[in-house]
Amino acid sequence: AQTVTQSQPEMSVQEAETVTLSCTYDTSESDYYLFWYKQPPSRQMILVIRQEAYKQQNATENRFSVNFQKAAKSFSLKISDSQLGDAAMYFCAYSWAARVIFGKGTRLHILP
Amino acid sequence: DTGVSQNPRHKITKRGQNVTFRCDPISEHNRLYWYRQTLGQGPEFLTYFQNEAQLEKSRLLSDRFSAERPKGSFSTLEIQRTEQGDSAMYLCASSGEGQGVSQPQHFGDGTRLSIL
Repeated sequence: AQTVTQSQPEMSVQEAETVTLSCTYDTSESDYYLFWYKQPPSRQMILVIRQEAYKQQNATENRFSVNFQKAAKSFSLKISDSQLGDAAMYFCAYSWAARVIFGKGTRLHILP
Repeated sequence: DTGVSQNPRHKITKRGQNVTFRCDPISEHNRLYWYRQTLGQGPEFLTYFQNEAQLEKSRLLSDRFSAERPKGSFSTLEIQRTEQGDSAMYLCASSGEGQGVSQPQHFGDGTRLSIL
């Protein structure tokens, strides 16, 4: 069965610094998709970044980038120049066929 | 694009009552998903529609749960004979056409269900 593990329930980072959130997953599939979603307090979940498993190049969206290690089944999110608005729950998600499986999330605190 | 709309935002009901939630997806999206999220957890997949067809159901979706998407537009999720364990946030998401589920999902604000 596919699983997604986020081993860091909470993390803190100083404003303007860089932070990396970890995610590992388990699958026997070779073609799938990975996502990072952000859920601010009492607000809706929004997509941060996505990665197709067949692409070796790591995805980047402005200050957000991923380190995708397919063999290791690892998909970490790096946030550069952290801003107060980055404070939220971050969910790693694995997608294959009709299903999307989310990890339990990492709560990110930004320290001013 | 007005986003995914869910109603009501909050629902408080007594155990044993039936409840129904509504989701209006982004108009051009043909895929619609329902998730359940409990405190401190990530969303758990419940069911998925492509147009009006319900293509996938999680085993979490017991026989007390039913979802419909008539005419492939809005969707409803009904819970019959609610139980304490049904208390959760129910999220709806929609996405457009694309390979598999590679298209990003757009989420609504959710409906928070509280069972007294």
